[in-house]
Amino acid sequence: SAVISQKPSRDICQRGTSLTIQCQVDSQVTMMFWYRQQPGQSLTLIATANQGSEATYESGFVIDKFPISRPNLTFSTLTVSNMSPEDSSIYLCSVAWTGGGEQFFGPGTRLTVL
Amino acid sequence: ILNVEQSPQSLHVQEGDSTNFTCSFPSSNFYALHWYRWETAKSPEALFVMTLNGDEKKKGRISATLNTKEGYSYLYIKGSQPEDSATYLCAPRIQGAQKLVFGQGTRLTINP
Repeated sequence: SAVISQKPSRDICQRGTSLTIQCQVDSQVTMMFWYRQQPGQSLTLIATANQGSEATYESGFVIDKFPISRPNLTFSTLTVSNMSPEDSSIYLCSVAWTGGGEQFFGPGTRLTVL
Repeated sequence: ILNVEQSPQSLHVQEGDSTNFTCSFPSSNFYALHWYRWETAKSPEALFVMTLNGDEKKKGRISATLNTKEGYSYLYIKGSQPEDSATYLCAPRIQGAQKLVFGQGTRLTINP
């Protein structure tokens, strides 16, 4: 396993603004993922963060709304752009060492958009 | 799109009682089934990764079984304790895919 931290742990933001969430791992990992859980919904994969190239987005998620960076094997950011109240969710990063392996999750960022 | 169903959605159990809940998923192209426990304000904690039909795994008072032919898994908790209160998530993975598809979870509350 690994120690995974996320910043911020929670935030309250105004409609129309953007927030960047950071995910830091204490060891190099192969895979990094971003999920969100909207109230009453299941954990849903937003995208796979690829080191050195553009992230791979799941159906329903686009780069303009959720730009992702992954400059190295231990760090990634997710930006929630032009926020609306529907973006109020818990956002989690997860990591894995192999493509089909177990995923380990960060503590999450609880976002409220007013 | 994988349809993953967990039942019940919520459950209240008396301390000391045993309980179980279900995860249902499509059986075609199955690769693995992950169980997680998610306590409020904490990271989801990996409990089990199960791959083989008939597999049974155990971690302390928690165990899980897997039926890949009919597409379901049971999670059992023996002698529930207040610290077992959490949301339990299952997530199947299909062959060739890296992503996990989560059910909505079963929210378990243990009453002292």
